[in-house]
Amino acid sequence: AQSVTQPDIHITVSEGASLELRCNYSYGATPYLFWYVQSPGQGLQLLLKYFSGDTLVQGIKGFEAEFKRSQSSFNLRKPSVHWSDAAEYFCAVFGGSQGNLIFGKGTKLSVKP
Amino acid sequence: NAGVTQTPKFRILKIGQSMTLQCTQDMNHNYMYWYRQDPGMGLKLIYYSVGAGITDKGEVPNGYNVSRSTTEDFPLRLELAAPSQTSVYFCASSQDYNEQFFGPGTRLTVL
Repeated sequence: AQSVTQPDIHITVSEGASLELRCNYSYGATPYLFWYVQSPGQGLQLLLKYFSGDTLVQGIKGFEAEFKRSQSSFNLRKPSVHWSDAAEYFCAVFGGSQGNLIFGKGTKLSVKP
Repeated sequence: NAGVTQTPKFRILKIGQSMTLQCTQDMNHNYMYWYRQDPGMGLKLIYYSVGAGITDKGEVPNGYNVSRSTTEDFPLRLELAAPSQTSVYFCASSQDYNEQFFGPGTRLTVL
């Protein structure tokens, strides 16, 4: 069965530091992968997506993610974190049979001044 | 475009009461979904629809019902509210198998 694992429940980084959020997926075919961000009390906003092609994907707000098939990973990165990046981040894979996304449990990002 | 809209934003129900969560999208998307989000659990699919008149169960459908009489609307019905249904509910839509657009959510508390 398809699944997504986000190993880190909560990460704290200092403002200006680099960030990497981990995501591992289990999927039989070529996956469609997504990263969403959820600010407190808000809905989910798409940061970036990978369907095919270049394995390094650029998204909004300065985020990027790299698809590594050999490691079944799709890690999210940002070179310099801003206080406004504090939010919860969800990795998801397109599940296929029901047309839905399968989400990881999320990683909450806190940013220290 | 307003995208995906949901009403109400917040609601408190008593055990056994019923209510309908409204969801409307103006992007002419065929696919619509209802998810629930519980703390530390990510999002779980409740029901989905691939077009007007077609709905099907997701991972956690018990206690819920849906209908899809138009492309735009996909209401979620809770018939007999239970404390286990306390959650945040998100509606989403997409065109084919692609990016899903989410509404702002409805925070429901059942007491």
